[in-house]
Amino acid sequence: GEDVEQSLFLSVREGDSSVINCTYTDSSSTYLYWYKQEPGAGLQLLTYIFSNMDMKQDQRLTVLLNKKDKHLSLRIADTQTGDSAIYFCAESPSGGSYIPTFGRGTSLIVHP
Amino acid sequence: KAGVTQTPRYLIKTRGQQVTLSCSPISGHRSVSWYQQTPGQGLQFLFEYFSETQRNKGNFPGRFSGRQFSNSRSEMNVSTLELGDSALYLCASSLTSGGANNEQFFGPGTRLTVL
Repeated sequence: GEDVEQSLFLSVREGDSSVINCTYTDSSSTYLYWYKQEPGAGLQLLTYIFSNMDMKQDQRLTVLLNKKDKHLSLRIADTQTGDSAIYFCAESPSGGSYIPTFGRGTSLIVHP
Repeated sequence: KAGVTQTPRYLIKTRGQQVTLSCSPISGHRSVSWYQQTPGQGLQFLFEYFSETQRNKGNFPGRFSGRQFSNSRSEMNVSTLELGDSALYLCASSLTSGGANNEQFFGPGTRLTVL
């Protein structure tokens, strides 16, 4: 079955880059997503990438996809304290049900 | 445009009781999905409704049920509550059902505590 793995915590200094990593097992994944969850809030879609892409950049966010290794990463440039949140990786399969499978989330802590 | 709203935001129940949670999707969205979020299991898909029909269902016992009304608002019900049902229940709406690029918009969730 599908499985999405993420490390649980990441601590960075304000102004540094953050890299959050994710691995998935479903080779039929079509879309891979990054969501952000702030305390007391639901999930907010940050960005997504098609499985036929290697990279996607959106302002401070860069998503890298290594389809061969089934590895996805999210890089946040110039990390700010407002970026402190839980980041979820998710994948959805091609065809049929598109229901995404989520990782457990990586808690990003940004300190001054 | 208003976002996804969920009511109530917080709920405390005791074992054996039943509970109903409500979700109002973004105007024009016809699909509503429900997820359970716990520290132990992470985010797990419960079910999805589209045009008042259940389209997809996750791996949860029959105590968990839902429905969708003609205005796309959705409710989920949990009967005979167990301690393990304590969780954040998230609702997500999308324009349509199916299609991996069908972006979901999440509500803030209902925090259910079962004592």
